[in-house]
Amino acid sequence: EVRLLESGGGLLKPGGSLRLSCAASGFTFSSYAMTWVRQVPGKGLEWVSSLSGSGGTTTYYADSVKGRFIISRENSKKTLFLQMNTLRAEDTAVYYCARSLSGWYSYDLWGQGTLVTVSS
Amino acid sequence: QPVLTQPPSASGTPGQRVTISCSGSSSNIGSNTVSWYQQLPGTAPKLLIYSNNQRPSGVPDRISGSKSGTSASLAISGLQSEDEADYYCAAWDDSLNGVVFGGGTKLTVL
Repeated sequence: EVRLLESGGGLLKPGGSLRLSCAASGFTFSSYAMTWVRQVPGKGLEWVSSLSGSGGTTTYYADSVKGRFIISRENSKKTLFLQMNTLRAEDTAVYYCARSLSGWYSYDLWGQGTLVTVSS
Repeated sequence: QPVLTQPPSASGTPGQRVTISCSGSSSNIGSNTVSWYQQLPGTAPKLLIYSNNQRPSGVPDRISGSKSGTSASLAISGLQSEDEADYYCAAWDDSLNGVVFGGGTKLTVL
């Protein structure tokens, strides 16, 4: 089955760190660019970061997370990561990983999401 | 504030045709293609349209997309109750060097 499965969400205090994982199955993971998109419950979608396929040498970040979040991939384990540092209350959201069909913003496969809550 | 502007709500009756607009600028829609997503309550988004007007396999042809200048539109004809969802547009923004989404449009089938 072709799927993405996120994990690693939880409740953190401001200033804390967390690493999200996205396990891929059913397709050639290394061939695809991958992306993290987040959504505050009840609000709209916000792009977080994207990573190119294969060697993953090209990365892009939203200004809101630049310098704090790091996107990476381990193709041998078919897994995408998002290292989240210096977390803020405004980072509270459901985080989705998504596969790019073409370009950087046509995502044809999404995970179910993992909730990150940053609160004191 | 979202970079791409969508109406917050839209509505139609079963069988009708509805359109949802997405307005941007020269740095995003004006110079890049547009994607559209549908999000049913409690679920992850689903890709409906990419490259302005291309449908992924499995998306019915009653759903279509178009782009003109710095605006894009999503059209749904033969409206069905299961179309009731939130719809988002997305594009690359050359100035921000990143992806921008619209604020979303909640479609209600009356």
